[in-house]
Amino acid sequence: SYVLTQPPSVSVAPGQTARITCGGNNIGRKSVHWYQQQPGQAPVLVVYDDSDRPSGIPERFSGSNSGNTATLTIIRVEAGDEADYYCQVWDNSGDHVVFGGGTKLTVL
Amino acid sequence: EVQLLESGGGLVQPGGSLRLSCAASGFTFSNYAMTWVRQAPGKGLEWVAVISGSGESIYYADSVKGRSTISRDNSRNTLYLQMDSLRAEDTAVYYCAKSWVILVVPSINFDYWGQGTLVTVSS
Repeated sequence: SYVLTQPPSVSVAPGQTARITCGGNNIGRKSVHWYQQQPGQAPVLVVYDDSDRPSGIPERFSGSNSGNTATLTIIRVEAGDEADYYCQVWDNSGDHVVFGGGTKLTVL
Repeated sequence: EVQLLESGGGLVQPGGSLRLSCAASGFTFSNYAMTWVRQAPGKGLEWVAVISGSGESIYYADSVKGRSTISRDNSRNTLYLQMDSLRAEDTAVYYCAKSWVILVVPSINFDYWGQGTLVTVSS
């Protein structure tokens, strides 16, 4: 089965740039989607199809995907960005939706 | 406004059954694939099952295949998850979520989520 690997945690100071990676075999050939989950809340889609943003998501959120790594980038990080972030793809070989293990973003 | 409201969670003994429901409103329900995703306490998101808009295409996670059945009633705008032979490891908050597309396609993602319903499997 297809595996997505995320770092458990990323820390960044306010105003700086956070980069959260999602590793997978040839993930660059897949569409990658990212979700933000605040404590006690349902997930929210923040980036879809590698780099597109749903309406209402700030331009500070962006994504990229190439080779074996997809990346969610958050510029000018704010305290309110502190949350868990999950990447997601569709695994063609197993006909499964796959989530990464999640990354806790801490704003110092 | 899109709304998804899960119900049916609760405490169930190991080996028992439960049926979760997700009432949808604010969009044409039959035009979108739907999914169930769960989250064990303190853990990450785990996909459970997905169903196309017509109900013709259905896929399950290996962890629930053979024990769970996803279905939908497009006339009632409701998604279901029937869970049988429940185990302690099925304890989680179960979310329903809406896809952006009617079919289960490689670019599938989920643009609206409910607030979840808690299932606790314990004796």
